[in-house]
Amino acid sequence: EAGVTQSPTHLIKTRGQQATLRCSPISGHTSVYWYQQALGLGLQFLLWYDEGEERNRGNFPPRFSGRQFPNYSSELNVNALELEDSALYLCASSLGQGTYEQYFGPGTRLTVT
Amino acid sequence: AQSVTQLDSQVPVFEEAPVELRCNYSSSVSVYLFWYVQYPNQGLQLLLKYLSGSTLVKGINGFEAEFNKSQTSFHLRKPSVHISDTAEYFCAVSRAGGSYIPTFGRGTSLIVHP
Repeated sequence: EAGVTQSPTHLIKTRGQQATLRCSPISGHTSVYWYQQALGLGLQFLLWYDEGEERNRGNFPPRFSGRQFPNYSSELNVNALELEDSALYLCASSLGQGTYEQYFGPGTRLTVT
Repeated sequence: AQSVTQLDSQVPVFEEAPVELRCNYSSSVSVYLFWYVQYPNQGLQLLLKYLSGSTLVKGINGFEAEFNKSQTSFHLRKPSVHISDTAEYFCAVSRAGGSYIPTFGRGTSLIVHP
């Protein structure tokens, strides 16, 4: 069974640009979660999508947004990039509401210069 | 809201020695608890979880953890570590019957020396 996949592996952008990160969940999983892992800060929850709807968002500004497609894959968009957005962005999937176990992808390393 | 404290940011240990990684949580309601491992340049992998039942939970790679409700702890242990156990370990807590979004600790870097 294929795991959670993310693309690209690495992304380099300049300040003010926009970044788009993609995630494909495990087959049969309907929930997708996005986390930011900045150096020394652990994992910070960004967004949760389930069945195509945004169910919850963390304490991040509106320039962090995303969506979930009918095939349950997801996209994270970060507008007006700032230097402090440099981090590893992790996507996780789960079977949906009622399940607590999350399966993580390898992440996208975003570097903002 | 719940919170998680991983008491050690780094734990150095020699190969074949036992290790304990400490995790304490704070919550006013019942919780579910998890330990994840992150190898270099990889995502997180679930090691073990406590949802209910026996307070001693066994996971993958020879790890186990014990849920102690009175001390609000969920320490991770392994009786004999290998070089390959060198990784970052994260403790996480979710509110039972509530939010599916866990709160993660800041991580403990386990460094196994030969």
